[in-house]
Amino acid sequence: EVQLVESGGGLVQPGGSLRLSCAASGFTVSSNYMSWVRQAPGKGLEWVSVIYSGGSTYYADSVKGRFTISRDNSKNTLYLQMNSLRAEDTAVYYCARVVSSYYGMDVWGQGTTVTVSS
Amino acid sequence: NFMLTQPHSVSESPGKTVTISCTRSSGSIASNYVQWYQQRPGSSPTTVIYEDNQRPSGVPDRFSGSIDSSSNSASLTISGLKTEDEADYYCQSYDSSNWVFGGGTKLTVL
Repeated sequence: EVQLVESGGGLVQPGGSLRLSCAASGFTVSSNYMSWVRQAPGKGLEWVSVIYSGGSTYYADSVKGRFTISRDNSKNTLYLQMNSLRAEDTAVYYCARVVSSYYGMDVWGQGTTVTVSS
Repeated sequence: NFMLTQPHSVSESPGKTVTISCTRSSGSIASNYVQWYQQRPGSSPTTVIYEDNQRPSGVPDRFSGSIDSSSNSASLTISGLKTEDEADYYCQSYDSSNWVFGGGTKLTVL
């Protein structure tokens, strides 16, 4: 079964750091485009970052320079390193597989909650 | 970068048909595929339409998608509404390594 399971969310103070993980099963992370999408409380979906199968990475302007997407091929796991966190980064973070032929998300994880607050 | 604009909410009665629009602010709606996602409260999004008008397996044919170049918009139409269709719906497209979601439309089936 194709599945994504996120972990690593929690409560962090402004300016702090957190690393999210997304463990994949049923497919190979490194052979796919993989993305992070977030949803602030009561708000809509916001694309955060993508890593292509070739390794190129891209970020939304709102997180550029603060967040880093990466993957561990041996663990078949996607990561999001979040530094210099702000209150506005508070959200549920989803990882998702991106279908390269149409640039849409076809598999989503259950999400992990990040709360940035003092 | 472009934006996708959706109505904040729509409502309709069971058995009726509803259409949700998604207007692209700049660039052609036809230049990149549009997807539609359904998100029920407390759940992750799921795809109901991909590649403008394709349904994933398991999505009923009551769901259909289209694009209109004259209005530079995409539409999601749900016919024969059921109470289980009540959810938030998001359109999504892409351009130059940037993914864009619409603001979402809350569908109420009453």
